[in-house]
Amino acid sequence: AQSVTQLGSHVSVSEGALVLLRCNYSSSVPPYLFWYVQYPNQGLQLLLKYTTGATLVKGINGFEAEFKKSETSFHLTKPSAHMSDAAEYFCAVIVSGGYNKLIFGAGTRLAVHP
Amino acid sequence: DTAVSQTPKYLVTQMGNDKSIKCEQNLGHDTMYWYKQDSKKFLKIMFSYNNKELIINETVPNRFSPKSPDKAHLNLHINSLELGDSAVYFCASSQGWNEQFFGPGTRLTVL
Repeated sequence: AQSVTQLGSHVSVSEGALVLLRCNYSSSVPPYLFWYVQYPNQGLQLLLKYTTGATLVKGINGFEAEFKKSETSFHLTKPSAHMSDAAEYFCAVIVSGGYNKLIFGAGTRLAVHP
Repeated sequence: DTAVSQTPKYLVTQMGNDKSIKCEQNLGHDTMYWYKQDSKKFLKIMFSYNNKELIINETVPNRFSPKSPDKAHLNLHINSLELGDSAVYFCASSQGWNEQFFGPGTRLTVL
């Protein structure tokens, strides 16, 4: 069965520093992987997704993620954090044969301080 | 022109009551979903409809009943509300297996 593990429920960085949010997945078949962001009191917004093809995917707001099959990872990065990046980030995998059912990780809260 | 909208945004009610949450999408998508986000921010799918047909029905108490009158609407009715039902409920929609678009959520508080 597919599952998602996000290492670190809270990550704190300085403005301008590198953002690295970790995600590992478990899947017996090639996965579809997603990163979503949730700003306070709002719904989820898709940052980026990996389905097939290029393993380095670029998303909105300067974020990117790299699919590494050998490490079963899909870590999210951004070279320079901005105060507006403070939010909750969720990694998710689609269950194969499961009617587009998203399985979410527990989330990582990103704090950005001046 | 909100893509996925939910009403109400906040819902406060007493234990034992029955309540409904409505969801509408104007994206022309054929699939809609309900997710529950608990107090620890954990998100879990509850139901999904494709062209008004129920295709995902997770292990959810049968006090929860989704209804899809048409492709653009998916409502969630909850009977005999319990304290543990307090959560944020998100509706989402997609076209087939493509990206899911989420609504703003409905925060349900059961007293």
